[in-house]
Amino acid sequence: DTGVSQDPRHKITKRGQNVTFRCDPISEHNRLYWYRQTLGQGPEFLTYFQNEAQLEKSRLLSDRFSAERPKGSFSTLEIQRTEQGDSAMYLCASSPDDRSYGNTIYFGEGSWLTVV
Amino acid sequence: SQKIEQNSEALNIQEGKTATLTCNYTNYSPAYLQWYRQDPGRGPVFLLLIRENEKEKRKERLKVTFDTTLKQSLFHITASQPADSATYLCALVNQAGTALIFGKGTTLSVSS
Repeated sequence: DTGVSQDPRHKITKRGQNVTFRCDPISEHNRLYWYRQTLGQGPEFLTYFQNEAQLEKSRLLSDRFSAERPKGSFSTLEIQRTEQGDSAMYLCASSPDDRSYGNTIYFGEGSWLTVV
Repeated sequence: SQKIEQNSEALNIQEGKTATLTCNYTNYSPAYLQWYRQDPGRGPVFLLLIRENEKEKRKERLKVTFDTTLKQSLFHITASQPADSATYLCALVNQAGTALIFGKGTTLSVSS
């Protein structure tokens, strides 16, 4: 399977704990995105990497959130001091660095976070 | 700021009929618009992209139109099947050209 891979698929954590999600994009894709999705809503953009550089961050990405893509391959999204409002599905997506694709992005299956 | 509206949260139709979903946007003139399908508990899957100079695009039983004057896209599924039941998301690239902004989606249910 050469699609976008996310781990873990499900995570239940207590409020105040830290959690980390990992994303492995499609291997030839330079761009990597993180989105968050809650029930009844579309995916909301969090942040975007071009290779290892984090080029854009949404206002949704509070100080408790940090994302990295150290070698321009896999990425991690860490949430510190989790709150119940962080409960959501965290989606990773990747795309090739070619505008002719129209920014079409390829999503992973998501990581579900439940904060209790 | 950019705003995307998908006209209804849910659409129920009978098998064999044509489903029509609407996406409206404001405060922006995108060069292209995309539609994705999302099944429960899964990530969205790309279906179609239509550019501003294309009025209509087809793929098998899917048809998308793009009216830049009305700032609207229509997504049609002809001869609908129960397997078409899913949430359909409309998406536009943001003004920086770096990421997609999604609507809330329309959940389609096709009954046999």
